[in-house]
Amino acid sequence: QVQLVESGGGVVQPGGSLRLSCAASGFTFSSFAMHWVRQTPGKGLEWVAFVPYDGSSKHYGDSVKGRFTISRDNSKNTVYLQMNSLRVEDTAVYYCAKDFRAGSGLFDYWGQGTLVTVSS
Amino acid sequence: QFVLTQPPSVSAAPGQKVTISCSGSSSNIGNNYVFWYQQLPGTAPKLLIHDNNQRPSGIPDRFSGSKSGTSATLGITGLQTGDEADYYCATWDFALSAVLFGGGTKLTVL
Repeated sequence: QVQLVESGGGVVQPGGSLRLSCAASGFTFSSFAMHWVRQTPGKGLEWVAFVPYDGSSKHYGDSVKGRFTISRDNSKNTVYLQMNSLRVEDTAVYYCAKDFRAGSGLFDYWGQGTLVTVSS
Repeated sequence: QFVLTQPPSVSAAPGQKVTISCSGSSSNIGNNYVFWYQQLPGTAPKLLIHDNNQRPSGIPDRFSGSKSGTSATLGITGLQTGDEADYYCATWDFALSAVLFGGGTKLTVL
């Protein structure tokens, strides 16, 4: 069965950096695009970033462009989110999600999430 | 605040039916598939409907989806207390080159 396990969350000061990881199993990782989605406490969902199956391009939501970098290592079945210049408003639970179908731009399976808290 | 508009909350009695709307525009819902996700308290979202009206395996046929023009609707029949959750619509927006979510709808089964 599909499993996505995020790690790397924690508490960081404003302006700091953090790298999230998402280990995937149960499907052919190298055949699917992967996404990061976040959810602020008590609020809604926000798409953060997307990387195609081969890592050939990267796409970001406006609120994180220039600060976050998504990447993947198909040899390790892992997708990453490097977060720099963190702001208080980046505080959220970060989920990785598996692309539903090539070209769909949307997702089927989600991980359990990892909490990132940006606070001084 | 959210490009896709959902009602903040809906409620109905057990056994009844409820619908949740999701309104967008031609750059998103009007020209792309709509997905629906269910988020039970304290858990990650789960795919409920894909491609406007298709249920993944394991999703009961009490859940249905439809789309007309720039709006989509999630329907739930035979409501159960276990259906109490937040429901989100989502789609791709080609003008923004981004995935969009609705603001979410909290379902209460009275």
